[in-house]
Amino acid sequence: GIQVEQSPPDLILQEGANSTLRCNFSDSVNNLQWFHQNPWGQLINLFYIPSGTKQNGRLSATTVATERYSLLYISSSQTTDSGVYFCAVPTDSWGKLQFGAGTQVVVTP
Amino acid sequence: DGGITQSPKYLFRKEGQNVTLSCEQNLNHDAMYWYRQDPGQGLRLIYYSHIVNDFQKGDIAEGYSVSREKKESFPLTVTSAQKNPTAFYLCASTPYRGTNEKLFFGSGTQLSVL
Repeated sequence: GIQVEQSPPDLILQEGANSTLRCNFSDSVNNLQWFHQNPWGQLINLFYIPSGTKQNGRLSATTVATERYSLLYISSSQTTDSGVYFCAVPTDSWGKLQFGAGTQVVVTP
Repeated sequence: DGGITQSPKYLFRKEGQNVTLSCEQNLNHDAMYWYRQDPGQGLRLIYYSHIVNDFQKGDIAEGYSVSREKKESFPLTVTSAQKNPTAFYLCASTPYRGTNEKLFFGSGTQLSVL
């Protein structure tokens, strides 16, 4: 099946810093989703991004489907950005997703 | 407010006991999913359903069962056959229309073994 790898596994940032998270996938996909899991376990869908670039406030994501990777940018990080960021790609057309292992982000004041 | 409600938030299971986790959505989504998350790991798919009275096994269905009697409800039963049930369980839904759509999650249930 399709493999999804995220890097780095852990990231510690000082408040105000910028960072880039990467998601590589092993096969062609027609979309990719980024999620943020807060410290209480709630998963929020950040982006549904088949290709190109999308922006949502201080967050933006770019997917280069032909090269099988996606990047999530966090700018001017805040402590509320702490948590785990997951990317996920479909394994079929029935909505099944393969998740990466996540990037644990800690933003310190 | 529209959303996905999971209950209870915390659940404890005794040896040999079956327990049921509730998932209700009022988003009018067709497809619903159950994922399991172990500490420090990604999510793994247990079961999914695209239509009432129909569901499919995911990657780790052994020891679990589901039902889909109503569009808005997709309960998960963790049976005594599941030998390592301690995990965080997440229910999700999408407005499935024959292709992959944006996935939305409930707030999760933490299941622990006594």
